[in-house]
Amino acid sequence: DTGVSQNPRHKITKRGQNVTFRCDPISEHNRLYWYRQTLGQGPEFLTYFQNEAQLEKSRLLSDRFSAERPKGSFSTLEIQRTEQGDSAMYLCASSLVASGGYEQYFGPGTRLTVT
Amino acid sequence: GIQVEQSPPDLILQEGANSTLRCNFSDSVNNLQWFHQNPWGQLINLFYIPSGTKQNGRLSATTVATERYSLLYISSSQTTDSGVYFCAALEMSGANNLFFGTGTRLTVIP
Repeated sequence: DTGVSQNPRHKITKRGQNVTFRCDPISEHNRLYWYRQTLGQGPEFLTYFQNEAQLEKSRLLSDRFSAERPKGSFSTLEIQRTEQGDSAMYLCASSLVASGGYEQYFGPGTRLTVT
Repeated sequence: GIQVEQSPPDLILQEGANSTLRCNFSDSVNNLQWFHQNPWGQLINLFYIPSGTKQNGRLSATTVATERYSLLYISSSQTTDSGVYFCAALEMSGANNLFFGTGTRLTVIP
């Protein structure tokens, strides 16, 4: 069990560019979550997948954001036409939802800076 | 979604002191987790505690689900305990994501 991994760890981009982040969950975890955290705040939910199906999206996830989880393994989060307000830490988490199990494990995050 | 409130927002302790962090939540929960966020932003799982009491070394946690609060106890604090502590709850009905509080920033001074 190597934990949740995320790449890249840091990304600096210019406003208007597209960026893509990757998350590899703990193997055999069937749920994968994306959260966003801005300075001084707790993480806020963006979206989650159960296996390959995207089951829920937050209102924070504008149409410039898209997430995928092909084959129910790793996931990607793409932001198109980045804006300065997208600067944040993007966190991925995974969990194995079985009877009574809801604990989520987080990756190290990708820190995005939009200049 | 569920509302999660943490107190105090900031706490400064002398090394060796004990502390109690509180988390109140507004609805019944399937999951209550405590995390420590390190200076690099990683959320470290401390406890998964939707109810009852657990202990892990110098840390312990208690969740009283019927009264909708959880407490995190840190005993004999060390400088490495510094950082932000988050409580997060997953409500029993409705959303499937964790709702986080705004955290308690702990500073332990030598």
